[in-house]
Amino acid sequence: SQKIEQNSEALNIQEGKTATLTCNYTNYSPAYLQWYRQDPGRGPVFLLLIRENEKEKRKERLKVTFDTTLKQSLFHITASQPADSATYLCALPNFGNEKLTFGTGTRLTIIP
Amino acid sequence: DAEITQSPRHKITETGRQVTLACHQTWNHNNMFWYRQDLGHGLRLIHYSYGVHDTNKGEVSDGYSVSRSNTEDLPLTLESAASSQTSVYFCASSGPNYGYTFGSGTRLTVV
Repeated sequence: SQKIEQNSEALNIQEGKTATLTCNYTNYSPAYLQWYRQDPGRGPVFLLLIRENEKEKRKERLKVTFDTTLKQSLFHITASQPADSATYLCALPNFGNEKLTFGTGTRLTIIP
Repeated sequence: DAEITQSPRHKITETGRQVTLACHQTWNHNNMFWYRQDLGHGLRLIHYSYGVHDTNKGEVSDGYSVSRSNTEDLPLTLESAASSQTSVYFCASSGPNYGYTFGSGTRLTVV
């Protein structure tokens, strides 16, 4: 199965700056990759899905890139706000089926 | 609006007791999943189902069982609760080409 590394457990960013989170995976390259947001005491919320043939995807202030050569996805939040503070999880499907393996997440704090 | 609900939100039980956690979705999704979330481990898959009467084991299935008698429900049963099963449990569902929709979770404490 996939092994996923989100290489920052915690990240502090000044309000207004761009936050960049990293997700690295081993083994096979998945057909797609997903990003989720999780607030304390709540379930994860789906944010974005990017497919292997898409280099970049945007949604409002969010941008995700997917580099299958590097086996890496970058998740960017531009013009960050304190309300963006949360844990962000990346997830990939296991080969040949739809069940997802999740990374342990990066806890992002936006400092006013 | 469609939703996915878990009950109870909190549960305290004794070692050795059988416990069932409920998950109900009105998205009409075929795929349903149970994960547990623990510090340092992230979300780990317990069991999953791709449709009625279909159930499959995930990576941490020992001591757990599920059944799928209809599209809406996937109850998770702990056959004989152990302290190692103290955790936060999340149910999720998914349709084709969409991300997962998660419930709000059940915090289970086994004493």
